[in-house]
Amino acid sequence: ETGVTQTPRHLVMGMTNKKSLKCEQHLGHNAMYWYKQSAKKPLELMFVYNFKEQTENNSVPSRFSPECPNSSHLFLHLHTLQPEDSALYLCASSYERFAGGLVGGTGELFFGEGSRLTVL
Amino acid sequence: GNSVTQMEGPVTLSEEAFLTINCTYTATGYPSLFWYVQYPGEGLQLLLKATKADDKGSNKGFEATYRKETTSFHLEKGSVQVSDSAVYFCALLNQAGTALIFGKGTTLSVSS
Repeated sequence: ETGVTQTPRHLVMGMTNKKSLKCEQHLGHNAMYWYKQSAKKPLELMFVYNFKEQTENNSVPSRFSPECPNSSHLFLHLHTLQPEDSALYLCASSYERFAGGLVGGTGELFFGEGSRLTVL
Repeated sequence: GNSVTQMEGPVTLSEEAFLTINCTYTATGYPSLFWYVQYPGEGLQLLLKATKADDKGSNKGFEATYRKETTSFHLEKGSVQVSDSAVYFCALLNQAGTALIFGKGTTLSVSS
């Protein structure tokens, strides 16, 4: 039990479907992250939320839409995905000292087990 | 920009062998450096870290020393076990402190 829970663990969807990935953390952290893990590539940071505000968006296509309603929950809404979007999507959380601006993070992230997405 | 380069895997070792996984980085200033480990079917978890030059991070028999001269943070263990089989990721914290930048990961397979 890492304190970060992701659902579903596995998802298969067609290119025209709309689905969502959910992440929940019970660690009292105030920063949450989405990473994409593809084979033989570095983990790609997609989005960062700090105190519910989005602080990073690494040129992610608009077919991925994040939502952070509170510091404990993070969603990734998926729409009209492509087969190359098939990957393991990892959620993480961390405790950050400041809201907005220069975060001054410690770099210690707590990861969920991931949601394995397959786009047909 | 910031980047991390790890040695290509997989690394295959026998139990009790010595392990080295190379990691070099490119970054502005002196970032904090990390090793994360991902066991099969699990998410990543922090293994060790170093926040300034010449610091040595250590945990579970693993060690890594922050070398600013060579911009490296190589992971070592004197005697690996089968339970160490996993994917190891080197990472750096960007200067703004807003995100971790990871390498591609190196798969370690230890046989008895």
